[in-house]
Amino acid sequence: DAKTTQPPSMDCAEGRAANLPCNHSTISGNEYVYWYRQIHSQGPQYIIHGLKNNETNEMASLIITEDRKSSTLILPHATLRDTAVYYCIVRVGGAAGNKLTFGGGTRVLVKP
Amino acid sequence: DTGVSQNPRHKITKRGQNVTFRCDPISEHNRLYWYRQTLGQGPEFLTYFQNEAQLEKSRLLSDRFSAERPKGSFSTLEIQRTEQGDSAMYLCASSLEAGRQTQYFGPGTRLLVL
Repeated sequence: DAKTTQPPSMDCAEGRAANLPCNHSTISGNEYVYWYRQIHSQGPQYIIHGLKNNETNEMASLIITEDRKSSTLILPHATLRDTAVYYCIVRVGGAAGNKLTFGGGTRVLVKP
Repeated sequence: DTGVSQNPRHKITKRGQNVTFRCDPISEHNRLYWYRQTLGQGPEFLTYFQNEAQLEKSRLLSDRFSAERPKGSFSTLEIQRTEQGDSAMYLCASSLEAGRQTQYFGPGTRLLVL
């Protein structure tokens, strides 16, 4: 699976949009971009994933560049409960995909 | 609650003792995964099952570790002769076999070896 690079930490103001970048310059054509987050002392929580099109769900939006070498997770209106470590993961899809390879993630602190 | 459940949530043991953790996946999920997470690090893959078959094991899974999923439903992870370095959060996740393979994680079992 391709390696990802994320900033180690970032702050965000409550009520504002949080834009979390991720670089995955060695991504292959059959690899998906997944985002998980982990709130302190809990298991990782799935947020969203995509292949090449932008995706949106009730939690967030995922913007993938046209060359697929980077992506941005957008939390539209950050709340204090969004404080967590956010992991960007690239993995093969379909029946061949199995384990998730976590990097260091981005520690997001939402401030009032 | 139809999510992944893990028991116990916390375990304190003395070095040299054996411990066993249980994971109940989301029903109908064929795949079950075990990860380990030490303080300040992201989770690391240990092993995974498809139904009752253990298909991949990480090099992190030493001989003291054994995982089973006897009937393709719940799974157990046993650590024999625990060491202080085994102190970590042990996470379980499950997913469908193909197509949508999003892994859903349980709350984890936090192990402290004294």
